[in-house]
Amino acid sequence: GQQVMQIPQYQHVQEGEDFTTYCNSSTTLSNIQWYKQRPGGHPVFLIQLVKSGEVKKQKRLTFQFGEAKKNSSLHITATQTTDVGTYFCAGPGLLFGNEKLTFGTGTRLTIIP
Amino acid sequence: NAGVTQTPKFRVLKTGQSMTLLCAQDMNHEYMYWYRQDPGMGLRLIHYSVGEGTTAKGEVPDGYNVSRLKKQNFLLGLESAAPSQTSVYFCASISASAKNIQYFGAGTRLSVL
Repeated sequence: GQQVMQIPQYQHVQEGEDFTTYCNSSTTLSNIQWYKQRPGGHPVFLIQLVKSGEVKKQKRLTFQFGEAKKNSSLHITATQTTDVGTYFCAGPGLLFGNEKLTFGTGTRLTIIP
Repeated sequence: NAGVTQTPKFRVLKTGQSMTLLCAQDMNHEYMYWYRQDPGMGLRLIHYSVGEGTTAKGEVPDGYNVSRLKKQNFLLGLESAAPSQTSVYFCASISASAKNIQYFGAGTRLSVL
């Protein structure tokens, strides 16, 4: 079945440092989504990437979708304490249709003030 | 507009007991999902529904049953709870026309002793 892996599993950074999480799928994705889950909270949609090689920015967050549409990355510049949480990528496989998402294992970000 | 509402928020069961988790959405979404979240394993799909009266198995369906008698409600049942079902359960829904962005409920924390 489709697998979506994320690395690293955990990341501890000093406030102000940059952070990157990587997402790799075993199958080609029609699109990829990113979600953020605050501690004790629920996943909240951040962004969706659709095109091969697409890059989108949201303030300090930069999202990339690989040329082969099998990998993606999220980069946060100058982290702040509000960035704490677990970041998940998720993608529907070409075989399963858009109604089912496979979530990555997540990267848990903690910030050292 | 409440979005996706899950009840109960917390529950403790004894092994062998049964219970039903309720998910209600007021966004007229066609698709609804039940996930479980365990430490280090991301979100795993239990069952999902693409419309009223239809359900389908996800990645980890064993030990669970679901029903979608009304479009706005999606019920998850545990007939005979086991300690392995201790987890946080999330319900999500999407609109077929909204680029498949999943909206999550606040979650149900279930402990099976």
